[in-house]
Amino acid sequence: GIQVEQSPPDLILQEGANSTLRCNFSDSVNNLQWFHQNPWGQLINLFYIPSGTKQNGRLSATTVATERYSLLYISSSQTTDSGVYFCAVVGGNKLVFGAGTILRVKS
Amino acid sequence: DGGITQSPKYLFRKEGQNVTLSCEQNLNHDAMYWYRQDPGQGLRLIYYSQIVNDFQKGDIAEGYSVSREKKESFPLTVTSAQKNPTAFYLCASRTLGQGVRNEQFFGPGTRLTVL
Repeated sequence: GIQVEQSPPDLILQEGANSTLRCNFSDSVNNLQWFHQNPWGQLINLFYIPSGTKQNGRLSATTVATERYSLLYISSSQTTDSGVYFCAVVGGNKLVFGAGTILRVKS
Repeated sequence: DGGITQSPKYLFRKEGQNVTLSCEQNLNHDAMYWYRQDPGQGLRLIYYSQIVNDFQKGDIAEGYSVSREKKESFPLTVTSAQKNPTAFYLCASRTLGQGVRNEQFFGPGTRLTVL
């Protein structure tokens, strides 16, 4: 089945810093999503981005489907950005999740 | 207000008891999913259903059962056969089909603790 790898596994930032999270996938996809899991466990939809670039405030994402990777950019990080970021792609009839990137933003 | 609701938010169970977790969606989504998350870990798929009265096992179905009698509802039963049921359970749903936005959404989750 399709494999999804995220990097880095862990990231510590000072408030105000920028960061880039990466998601590599092993096969062509027509659905890729980025989620943020907050400290209470809720999974928040960030981007639905099978290809191209999208921006939402301080966050933006780019998926290069032909090269099988996606990037999530966080600019001017805030402590509320802390949590786990998951990338997921459709494999068969279901989403296949990466292991996640744990982000800690320090004030 | 559209979305996915899960109940209860917290659930405590004695060993040997079956418990049922509720998941309801009013998004008219075709497919529904149950995931389990252990502390510090990722999401693992338990069961999923793409249509009423049909469902498939995920990666860790042993000790769990589901039903899909209505499009809006996909309850999960954690049976006494599940060896280590203490975990965070997440329900999700999405629409299916070619040429449509198949974005998946999640409910707020249920934390199950076995005493």
